[in-house]
Amino acid sequence: EAGVVQSPRYKIIEKKQPVAFWCNPISGHNTLYWYRQNLGQGPELLIRYENEEAVDDSQLPKDRFSAERLKGVDSTLKIQPAELGDSAVYLCASSLREVNEQFFGPGTRLTVL
Amino acid sequence: AQSVTQLDSHVSVSEGTPVLLRCNYSSSYSPSLFWYVQHPNKGLQLLLKYTSAATLVKGINGFEAEFKKSETSFHLTKPSAHMSDAAEYFCVVSTGTGRRALTFGSGTRLQVQP
Repeated sequence: EAGVVQSPRYKIIEKKQPVAFWCNPISGHNTLYWYRQNLGQGPELLIRYENEEAVDDSQLPKDRFSAERLKGVDSTLKIQPAELGDSAVYLCASSLREVNEQFFGPGTRLTVL
Repeated sequence: AQSVTQLDSHVSVSEGTPVLLRCNYSSSYSPSLFWYVQHPNKGLQLLLKYTSAATLVKGINGFEAEFKKSETSFHLTKPSAHMSDAAEYFCVVSTGTGRRALTFGSGTRLQVQP
């Protein structure tokens, strides 16, 4: 069984530029999560989707961050414009609705210069 | 609010000696608790989970954890460390609506000396 797929694995951009991350969850997993992990810290939830509906986006900085999961499968997280403080690893995870065990992708390491 | 505190940011052991990674939790109801491991440049992997069944939980790679309500602890142990155990370990509690979100501790970096 394929795991959670994320791309790109690494991204380096200059501040004020836009950036997008893509995630394809495990087949059949209807719940999808985006987390941000700052250096030396644990991941923090940004947004959670149940199918195509964002059911928890309270921690998403909506002035510059946006996310979508149009067909309830893969998802894109966007930052526009990026700031220096956005440098982090962005993790995607998925789970079945009935089970709270989450499976994580390898993450995208973003560096903003 | 639910939270976890990992008491050590860094633990160093010798190969073949026991491992103890400490975690205390705070929860207003019976929590679901997890331990995840993160190897460099790899995704987070679930080691084990506690969901109000047996208080002693066995996980992968010889790890286990014991839920102690009286001490609000969920420490991770392994009888004998292996070099491949060197990684970052996170204690995690489920939170939010329907307990669908995870709140991570700050992590404990385990170093295994030869």
